[in-house]
Amino acid sequence: QVQLQESGPGLVKPSETLSLTCAVSGYSISSGYYWGWIRQPPGKGLEWIGSIYHSGSTYYNPSLKSRVTISVDTSKNQFSLKLSSVTAADTAVYYCARSSAAMVPCDYWGQGTLVTVSS
Amino acid sequence: SYVLTQPPSVSVAPGQTARITCGGNNIGSKSVHWYQQKPGQAPVLVVYDDSDRPSGIPERFSGSNSGNTATLTISRVEAGDEADYYCQVWDSSSDPHVVFGGGTKLTVL
Repeated sequence: QVQLQESGPGLVKPSETLSLTCAVSGYSISSGYYWGWIRQPPGKGLEWIGSIYHSGSTYYNPSLKSRVTISVDTSKNQFSLKLSSVTAADTAVYYCARSSAAMVPCDYWGQGTLVTVSS
Repeated sequence: SYVLTQPPSVSVAPGQTARITCGGNNIGSKSVHWYQQKPGQAPVLVVYDDSDRPSGIPERFSGSNSGNTATLTISRVEAGDEADYYCQVWDSSSDPHVVFGGGTKLTVL
């Protein structure tokens, strides 16, 4: 059974960089699939952040592209998200997820982790 | 950037049929996927590629897509279907990316 688990600080200061990691179990990232990040501000809808293939090929949401970096560490079977220059608008539950291709829906999701941006 | 428009809310009585729409320019030319999200939980895929159901999703969930509107239909609605529903497409523009609709809250009366 594929499982994804997000981890990282729950509180980030404005203007700093948000960093999250998604640990994958039950499947080897190096075997394929796209690995992505989606967020959801409290009480609001889903926003796709971006995704990465095990080879390192990436797609990003154009509205966040200038601030986002997604990377993969196949040796640790995990992938990461970095979002720079955060503001209160970046406060959200952040989900990691898997899809067989960038344009197809996600079949496995993490439980999500709340990140609050506040001083 | 491609925009998907969903009604904020839909209400239906138990046993009736709920229809949730997702509007977009020529959305019929794209593959539409639908997620169900209950409070405090991650989204669950209920329909993919317009009208296919993942394993384990009841036949009561179906989808269609034509012209400028995609529709998720839930037949014989149950109390357990109350949730937020999101449509998703792939915007294959010069900067390809995933787009989500704003979401629809389904209330079972």
